[in-house]
Amino acid sequence: SQELEQSPQSLIVQEGKNLTINCTSSKTLYGLYWYKQKYGEGLIFLMMLQKGGEEKSHEKITAKLDEKKQQSSLHITASQPSHAGIYLCGAAYYGGSQGNLIFGKGTKLSVKP
Amino acid sequence: DAGVIQSPRHEVTEMGQEVTLRCKPISGHDYLFWYRQTMMRGLELLIYFNNNVPIDDSGMPEDRFSAKMPNASFSTLKIQPSEPRDSAVYFCASSLFRGGLDGYTFGSGTRLTVV
Repeated sequence: SQELEQSPQSLIVQEGKNLTINCTSSKTLYGLYWYKQKYGEGLIFLMMLQKGGEEKSHEKITAKLDEKKQQSSLHITASQPSHAGIYLCGAAYYGGSQGNLIFGKGTKLSVKP
Repeated sequence: DAGVIQSPRHEVTEMGQEVTLRCKPISGHDYLFWYRQTMMRGLELLIYFNNNVPIDDSGMPEDRFSAKMPNASFSTLKIQPSEPRDSAVYFCASSLFRGGLDGYTFGSGTRLTVV
C-alpha cells in the first residue's frame, strides 16, 4: 500500500552486526504492528506500538514509534542467522476501518554467518 | 490452542476450476480476516468478519471471489472460476479485537497456483 512504505526492501548483513528497518506512514497511526515471516510460513507477531515515543523490545529486537506517530523503526542488535526472514510492518488507522491492518511490502533480511 | 489452521497448504489447479480455501480461527476470536500475498502487491486485505458477519469486503478483487463464515469456527474463501493471476499465498488471521495490543494471529497460509 502507498500509505505505508518500508525501507530498505532487502538487507544483507554479517552475523553480529546491528541493523535498522524503517516503516513510514502517510497518515497518523492508531497503532503500528511488527511481524516476522519466514519463507513458506505465516506471520509471527513481534510487537505493537501505539503511543508516540513508545519503545518495546522482543529479545534482541527493539522497535520505536516516533512522537508524531507516523514512523517506526525496528532495530536488531548483534544479528544472528535466526533473525533472517521478512519483516513486515502493519498499520492501523483511525476512522471507519480502524483496527484493520494495512501492511507494508516487507524488508527481506539475510544474515551471513 | 493449535492456532489458526488453514487447509490445504498447497493447491495447484487448472484455470477455470473452482478453488475453496478453508480456515479455522482461534476459539473465542471474534474477528476473522482473509489476506492475499503476492510479490508485486504484498499483503492485501480481502475481507473481514466480525461474529461471523462479513463487515468489509471492499478488498475482494472480483465477483469470482466469495467468502463465507457459517459458524464461529470455520470460514471459506472460494474462487470460481480461477485464473492464473489468482496465484498467490492466501492467509487467514483471527483476533479478539481489532486494533488490539496482540495484533492478529495468522495461519500458515495456502499457496495457490493456477496453471
